[in-house]
Amino acid sequence: DTGVSQDPRHKITKRGQNVTFRCDPISEHNRLYWYRQTLGQGPEFLTYFQNEAQLEKSRLLSDRFSAERPKGSFSTLEIQRTEQGDSAMYLCASSSTGSGNQPQHFGDGTRLSIL
Amino acid sequence: GNSVTQMEGPVTLSEEAFLTINCTYTATGYPSLFWYVQYPGEGLQLLLKATKADDKGSNKGFEATYRKETTSFHLEKGSVQVSDSAVYFCALSEGATNKLIFGTGTLLAVQP
Repeated sequence: DTGVSQDPRHKITKRGQNVTFRCDPISEHNRLYWYRQTLGQGPEFLTYFQNEAQLEKSRLLSDRFSAERPKGSFSTLEIQRTEQGDSAMYLCASSSTGSGNQPQHFGDGTRLSIL
Repeated sequence: GNSVTQMEGPVTLSEEAFLTINCTYTATGYPSLFWYVQYPGEGLQLLLKATKADDKGSNKGFEATYRKETTSFHLEKGSVQVSDSAVYFCALSEGATNKLIFGTGTLLAVQP
């Protein structure tokens, strides 16, 4: 169990640029979540995948945001035409679908700073 | 909608003091409840969980009991250490996807 891995750890970009983040979940986990965390706040849900299917998207996820999980393994989160308000920590989590409510395991996050 | 409310921080304690961090929730149905901890520069780690009323979650000396009658899940530890200094998040799981709804977090600072 190598844990959830996110890349890059930090991203600094100019407003208007596109950025893409990657998440590698724990290998046997088929559930994958993206969250966004701003300073002094708890994480907020963005989107959820079960295997390769994106089954839920938050209203926080504007049209500039898109997420994929093409083979049901790693996932990418892309933000187009970044804005100042996109500056945040983007967290990925994964879990299995065993019996009961399986806990989510989080990566260390990607911190996005928009200049 | 569902929500979680945590006590405001920061909470500053001396080593070996007793800790309580209050958490209350609003939810339809019977969600699972969690405490996560975030150490500086790191991601969230699951501290403990409870899946039904009157369940007690425990780990590393921390405990929390799922109280349906008071819709609470308060975190307690009998004797804190400097190494417990971190931000603590209370959360509930929602819906078929089990997405998490978090509180705003409580910063705990333990002084030697």
